[in-house]
Amino acid sequence: DQQVKQNSPSLSVQEGRISILNCDYTNSMFDYFLWYKKYPAEGPTFLISISSIKDKNEDGRFTVFLNKSAKHLSLHIVPSQPGDSAVYFCAASFGYALNFGKGTSLLVTP
Amino acid sequence: EAGVAQSPRYKIIEKRQSVAFWCNPISGHATLYWYQQILGQGPKLLIQFQNNGVVDDSQLPKDRFSAERLKGVDSTLKIQPAKLEDSAVYLCASSFAGFKETQYFGPGTRLLVL
Repeated sequence: DQQVKQNSPSLSVQEGRISILNCDYTNSMFDYFLWYKKYPAEGPTFLISISSIKDKNEDGRFTVFLNKSAKHLSLHIVPSQPGDSAVYFCAASFGYALNFGKGTSLLVTP
Repeated sequence: EAGVAQSPRYKIIEKRQSVAFWCNPISGHATLYWYQQILGQGPKLLIQFQNNGVVDDSQLPKDRFSAERLKGVDSTLKIQPAKLEDSAVYLCASSFAGFKETQYFGPGTRLLVL
């Protein structure tokens, strides 16, 4: 069963605008959440993480929001750049193992 | 700092053949992971090592998959015999300690079973 869900397979955004990628999870034991970015023919690259004791974490243009009551997290990219075009994976854990969503393909158009 | 190295990058085999993948983690990283990523899916953990001991192999199909990490550094993942549904990208990742640590991924090995 899929414990981490990314319901939007793809997203297209104009350069300079905000990109919002969403992720839902079902396991209330998850206490650590991460976003990975993946370019074709490369492995996933860590982007940003958040612990369940926080509801927001920022790193430059990237902000992750966590809503524990809704079991929902989102990644905001502001402003979006063409180099941000990639597949974004949401992942969650409560121990060692990471549980990944299926990914959302982001396309940032000039 | 060198990243996680994997080889080969691509492999095509026929069903019932055997295949092996190699991974060299980032120097000093104690924890090593093997993931399977089927097309259109997120990576799924197959096995996790802490140094040269297995921490979690609950999702490893042990009738055909095996993995080892000799001397707590390099690791190999083997499939014998391969099935069509094993076609996937096999990703190796490593982290410094493991628990709540960022995992760094290699480029993966793309396996096609015909």
